[in-house]
Parts: sequence; C-alpha cells; structure tokens
Amino acid sequence: DAGVTQSPTHLIKTRGQQVTLRCSPKSGHDTVSWYQQALGQGPQFIFQYYEEEERQRGNFPDRFSGHQFPNYSSELNVNALLLGDSALYLCASSLLAGGNTGANVLTFGAGSRLTVL
Amino acid sequence: RKEVEQDPGPFNVPEGATVAFNCTYSNSASQSFFWYRQDCRKEPKLLMSVYSSGNEDGRFTAQLNRASQYISLLIRDSKLSDSATYLCVVNPQSNYQLIWGAGTKLIIKP
Repeated sequence: DAGVTQSPTHLIKTRGQQVTLRCSPKSGHDTVSWYQQALGQGPQFIFQYYEEEERQRGNFPDRFSGHQFPNYSSELNVNALLLGDSALYLCASSLLAGGNTGANVLTFGAGSRLTVL
Repeated sequence: RKEVEQDPGPFNVPEGATVAFNCTYSNSASQSFFWYRQDCRKEPKLLMSVYSSGNEDGRFTAQLNRASQYISLLIRDSKLSDSATYLCVVNPQSNYQLIWGAGTKLIIKP
C-alpha cells in the first residue's frame, strides 16, 4: 500500500522563477493538503483540495496555486519565487470525514525541499 | 498571541528519564488535538491523538486540559530513539485546517 509520494525531493530555483510540485495521495485517500515548513517552524497550511476544488486556504498569497486531478493527485504551483519561499513543502492526504465526526488523520509525504537563490 | 504555542527547547534529557512538555492553544472551541513527531529533515508522523479523558500508548501519555487550554505529552523511560521534534497540532473545527505549533526539540543523551 503506497503512502504519499512527492516529487521532486529537492530543487533549486532562482528568484522570479516558477515551480511546480507534485503529490500522489495514499491509496484510498481523497483529500490533499499542502503545507509549507520553514526551518525551525511548524508546518503552515497553504490549501486543501477535495473533489478537484480548493476547499480551504491558509494565509498565502495568490502566487501559490494548486490543482487536484480526477485520480486525487495534486500539484502546487508557486509563481514569482521569493527568497522567503525556501522551505520544505509537505503534502498530506486524508479521507474526508463527513459532519462533525472529529479528527482527520493525515499521512504526510517526505516533502519537496525548495531552495530559492 | 500565537494560536498554538510550544516551548522550542531543546530539552536535554538523560536516557531513562521522564520528560514532559506542554502546548497551549488560544481557541477555546478547538475540537481535536494531536501530537506529531518529526525527525530531522523528515516528514511529521502522527504520534498520538489526544482525547478528553487522556490516553496512553506504551511509554507515552497525552493529556488535555480544556479549562486551561493546553495539552501535554509525557514520555517515560526515554530512549535515544525518542530524540526528535514534537509538534502539537490543534484542529479548531472538525474537518478544518490544522494549526501547528513550532515544535519542541527533545534530545535524549546516553
């Protein structure tokens, strides 16, 4: 049973460039969330996709955009890269529970480490 | 005030000792609470959920104090392999985005 896979694992970009990160969720999961984790910080929620639509969004500018495909995989796109975008980008998948049934338990991928020079 | 706050540490603890750390949260309506563990340069992994009645998993015990708005994690008989960063996670509303603390770094020394 494959877990969450992310690609690429590492990449280096320069300021102003654009980047696309990819995520395949765990088998059976239908929801993908993206997080940015800067060094020494906890993950910061970027957005969540369910049924190919952005369901929630954190406090990130429009330079951050995403997409979910019919097979539940997802992409994160960042335009006009800034030095401050250097971070570990984590994808987490889950199975969306209905109503107020409580916790979502996330399965994380190993992340894509982005360095912006 | 941050939504979720943790002491960043590091906590330097001898092997075999007991260590505990807390995490405070600001939203009194928060519904779900978790402890995640993150090894250096790895992804976070769920350690345990935190239930209102408190829960125990082997050497790990998690407690929730709603009145004072904090959760705690107790590790007994600590092992070298417990060295990691422990992230406190709060779900303000069911099925909504999780709010993460910055983590507490734990170093277990032989």
